[in-house]
Amino acid sequence: EDKVVQSPLSLVVHEGDTVTLNCSYEVTNFRSLLWYKQEKKAPTFLFMLTSSGIEKKSGRLSSILDKKELSSILNITATQTGDSAIYLCAVEAFSSGDKLTFGTGTRLAVRP
Amino acid sequence: DGGITQSPKYLFRKEGQNVTLSCEQNLNHDAMYWYRQDPGQGLRLIYYSQIVNDFQKGDIAEGYSVSREKKESFPLTVTSAQKNPTAFYLCASAWGDTNTGELFFGEGSRLTVL
Repeated sequence: EDKVVQSPLSLVVHEGDTVTLNCSYEVTNFRSLLWYKQEKKAPTFLFMLTSSGIEKKSGRLSSILDKKELSSILNITATQTGDSAIYLCAVEAFSSGDKLTFGTGTRLAVRP
Repeated sequence: DGGITQSPKYLFRKEGQNVTLSCEQNLNHDAMYWYRQDPGQGLRLIYYSQIVNDFQKGDIAEGYSVSREKKESFPLTVTSAQKNPTAFYLCASAWGDTNTGELFFGEGSRLTVL
């Protein structure tokens, strides 16, 4: 059974801080790892990392896939209150038939 | 505007009643999914469908049923057999091809059993 573990479960920082969120996985026939941001209701897509694309960056957010350690990190620099959200990590396997397995999420709170 | 629409946003149900949550998408996506989200447990897959008139059980299908009669629609019925139905339910869709696992989510339906 595919498994995704995220840490920490929750995190409180102040504006301007840099945060690193972790995601580790156990998947047979790994295909891709995805990061989503869930502010209120609908999660929105951030990044997808694959064997051919192990590093992605968009503004203050960046993510790296470590295939050897079976893990990924999501970095947010110069955090803002608008970064407060639940960050979800999900993994897809070639054998999963288009299914994603999600982690428990990390709840990030950014204080002014 | 293309998107995925869930209704109702909030729903209250008495024990023993079946309820149906609606999910409609106009993104022309082949695949559709239902997830349940509980505090501290992330998203868990209930059912998914990769093509019209076909669907598969996810990890927590017991007490739920679905149908996929049209490409655009994937309603979820929470039956009285579901022992702990109070939760936040998210519907999602995707292209379903081999190139991306990106899901597009609806705004969710929050079900409370009284």
